[in-house]
Formats: sequence, structure tokens, C-alpha cells
Amino acid sequence: GNSVTQMEGPVTLSEEAFLTINCTYTATGYPSLFWYVQYPGEGLQLLLKATKADDKGSNKGFEATYRKETTSFHLEKGSVQVSDSAVYFCALHNYGQNFVFGPGTRLSVLP
Amino acid sequence: ETGVTQSPTHLIKTRGQQVTLRCSSQSGHNTVSWYQQALGQGPQFIFQYYREEENGRGNFPPRFSGLQFPNYSSELNVNALELDDSALYLCASSLASWGSNYGYTFGSGTRLTVV
Repeated sequence: GNSVTQMEGPVTLSEEAFLTINCTYTATGYPSLFWYVQYPGEGLQLLLKATKADDKGSNKGFEATYRKETTSFHLEKGSVQVSDSAVYFCALHNYGQNFVFGPGTRLSVLP
Repeated sequence: ETGVTQSPTHLIKTRGQQVTLRCSSQSGHNTVSWYQQALGQGPQFIFQYYREEENGRGNFPPRFSGLQFPNYSSELNVNALELDDSALYLCASSLASWGSNYGYTFGSGTRLTVV
């Protein structure tokens, strides 16, 4: 079946540090890949997505590249801010099936 | 353009009781999915409704049931509540059944606590 694995958190960084959150997946077919963010007490917000191999999704300084050869979709940001503190979920979606989410990675950014 | 609205935001129920959670889809969206997010975990798929019919279900027992209405709003019903049902319940709507290119919009969720 389909599954998503993320690096375990929590991840604690200082403001302006470089961020990488690893995500790998197992899936049949050609899924679309997503990163969602969840701020405290809120639901999920779509951060970025990529629908085919070698696509790069980007938004708000975050980016991730769909790597089919390594089945990965790592999230990166060059300079994090305190306001980026949240839980980040990697997810995949195959047409005709439901979303499959990873367990989430909590990010804390210190001033 | 309105987003996905869920009610109530918080709820406390006693073990064995029944609960109904509600979701108003984003305008124009005809598909709604429900997910359960236990504390510290990723969301798990419960079921999906497309044009008032259930067209997909995850690994949840029959005491989890749902409805979708002609205006595409939806309800999630849980009978015989158990302590492990305590979680954040998320509703997501989309324009087309299973169509990922159209995107899914998530609500803020209902936090259910079973005591």
C-alpha cells in the first residue's frame, strides 16, 4: 500500500537557519505529492505541491522537488522565521484514492 | 470564496454516547472527505462522499458513518464512543471526486474529547 515516512521531530532551529525536513514515500502509480502545514489549534493548510517527477513546488520561501528515482519530496527553506513554527505533514495522493499523510514533523524556530 | 467550515470547534462527550460533527464544503465543491487526526499523528482517512454517495472508506468500523446533503454539506456520526475516538476530526472538500489536480481544502477541524 501507499505510505509516507518523515523525519522525526521535533526540529529546533534558530531564526534564519536553513531548514530541511525529509520525506520519502512508497506508492503505486504516479502520485501527486504535497506538503501541508498545521499551526497550533488550526487545521491543515496546503503549503506546496508537485504533480509529476522533477516538478518543484514552492510557496512562501519553502520548496520541494519531486524525486521519483529516490522516492523523496524533501522540504527546504533557506532562512526560517519564528512564524514558521508549526507541524509539517508530507502527503501523497493517487487519483482514485485518498490522501496518505506522514506522521508530521514539529518545527520550533527560536528568536 | 468561502472555505470549509466545521462545527463545533470543540466537543466533550462521555464514553458510549453518540456524536455528530458537521462540515460545510467550499462553495462549488461536490466531494467531501473526513479524516481523523489523533494527537501527535498524521490524519487518517475515514471516508469520502461524492454527490451524496459514499465512494470510499478507510479502515474504520461501521459505527463511523456519514451523510452528504444536496447542498454538499456533510455530517460525520460516531456511535458508541470510545476513549480512543478522542482526536481532531478534519473535513476536506474538493471539486471532483478523487481529483487531486483540483486540490482539496481542509477545515480547521473539530476537536473531540471522550471521557
